[in-house]
Amino acid sequence: DVKVTQSSRYLVKRTGEKVFLECVQDMDHENMFWYRQDPGLGLRLIYFSYDVKMKEKGDIPEGYSVSREKKERFSLILESASTNQTSMYLCASSLADTGQPQHFGDGTRLSIL
Amino acid sequence: GENVEQHPSTLSVQEGDSAVIKCTYSDSASNYFPWYKQELGKRPQLIIDIRSNVGEKKDQRIAVTLNKTAKHFSLHITETQPEDSAVYFCAATYSGGGADGLTFGKGTHLIIQP
Repeated sequence: DVKVTQSSRYLVKRTGEKVFLECVQDMDHENMFWYRQDPGLGLRLIYFSYDVKMKEKGDIPEGYSVSREKKERFSLILESASTNQTSMYLCASSLADTGQPQHFGDGTRLSIL
Repeated sequence: GENVEQHPSTLSVQEGDSAVIKCTYSDSASNYFPWYKQELGKRPQLIIDIRSNVGEKKDQRIAVTLNKTAKHFSLHITETQPEDSAVYFCAATYSGGGADGLTFGKGTHLIIQP
């Protein structure tokens, strides 16, 4: 069974802090994704990666960056956290073949005070 | 980019009745359409998906239909049960063998009334 693990379920940070959200998958998936989920807005794609050191912007990349130094690990970075980045963050991974399902982690609920 | 509209936002049905959730998409190049179920406090889980070369797919009580001409797809749940209560998300993407970020609808809260 695919396992996507996010390092924290809950995180509280202060405005202006640099925040790291970590995600690890154990199925040797090529693709990894970061989404944020807000009530009434569904899930929105922030960044994704199709290979080590490769990254692509999603629909809402502003204020975020990512790092993929190893195939199994994909980090989301908030360079200077702001209150409007308070949200649920979900990591997902998938194989690279056409139409492969994405498997999600449990999410990190991030609060920026 | 892709835009996915999902309706209704809330759907309440009697246990045993059928439920239908509808989505439309804007990008005619999209060719992969998954549906996710998310129970309260849990991760989204894939329940069924369909590719654009197929018009309908069924898995026990769940079915998905796709109309490429009209650019809409629907989730059908028959003989609903209490455990079907959850938020359901449709999504769409162009899947060409690389990384395919999904565009999601805003979700439907399905409530099964006993």
